[in-house]
Amino acid sequence: GAVVSQHPSRVICKSGTSVKIECRSLDFQATTMFWYRQFPKKSLMLMATSNEGSKATYEQGVEKDKFLINHASLTLSTLTVTSAHPEDSSFYICSAIKGGTGLLYNEQFFGPGTRLTVL
Amino acid sequence: GDSVTQMEGPVTLSEEAFLTINCTYTATGYPSLFWYVQYPGEGLQLLLKATKADDKGSNKGFEATYRKETTSFHLEKGSVQVSDSAVYFCALSDPQTGANNLFFGTGTRLTVIP
Repeated sequence: GAVVSQHPSRVICKSGTSVKIECRSLDFQATTMFWYRQFPKKSLMLMATSNEGSKATYEQGVEKDKFLINHASLTLSTLTVTSAHPEDSSFYICSAIKGGTGLLYNEQFFGPGTRLTVL
Repeated sequence: GDSVTQMEGPVTLSEEAFLTINCTYTATGYPSLFWYVQYPGEGLQLLLKATKADDKGSNKGFEATYRKETTSFHLEKGSVQVSDSAVYFCALSDPQTGANNLFFGTGTRLTVIP
């Protein structure tokens, strides 16, 4: 199989604090991981693409200084929401692919998501 | 730009009923189309896919046909079970905008009652 975990599954924090979310590929090495955000009754929106050992590529409109992504190893990527505010409350989902990016689609394996609530 | 429009739910069906969840898309290039399923407490899982026009993806009794003329990829199952209760997402990837970038619909929650 190809299992992706996320930690924590749920977090509540105060406005102004920073929160780190971990995404791990448990039984495979992931050269590329993706971070998505999902609003209620909305589709998943890609925030950024994270490649091991290099800087993340952010989608248009996503603040890179607010959503810090680190992909330090082939099995771990982290998303840190800095100086969180209530509007950052959302469901954050990561995914990982086994191979590199290219012309052919590589199946993404998704984590179960992290519910962030900022008070 | 690329987008996916998916039938809004929730959908509630009795066991053994016929299921259709509509999905239409717009894309710049020639996309691949997918249906993902999310069971409670789990991550999204690929249910089926089709990579070119007239392809039919199928898995676990679910089917969807890539219809280029109607830009659609409707999900169907002839006889649903309680275990099919989940949220279903239609998605596309477009090589012109990045083969690994997925564009998702809003998801449709299906509840099957005994």
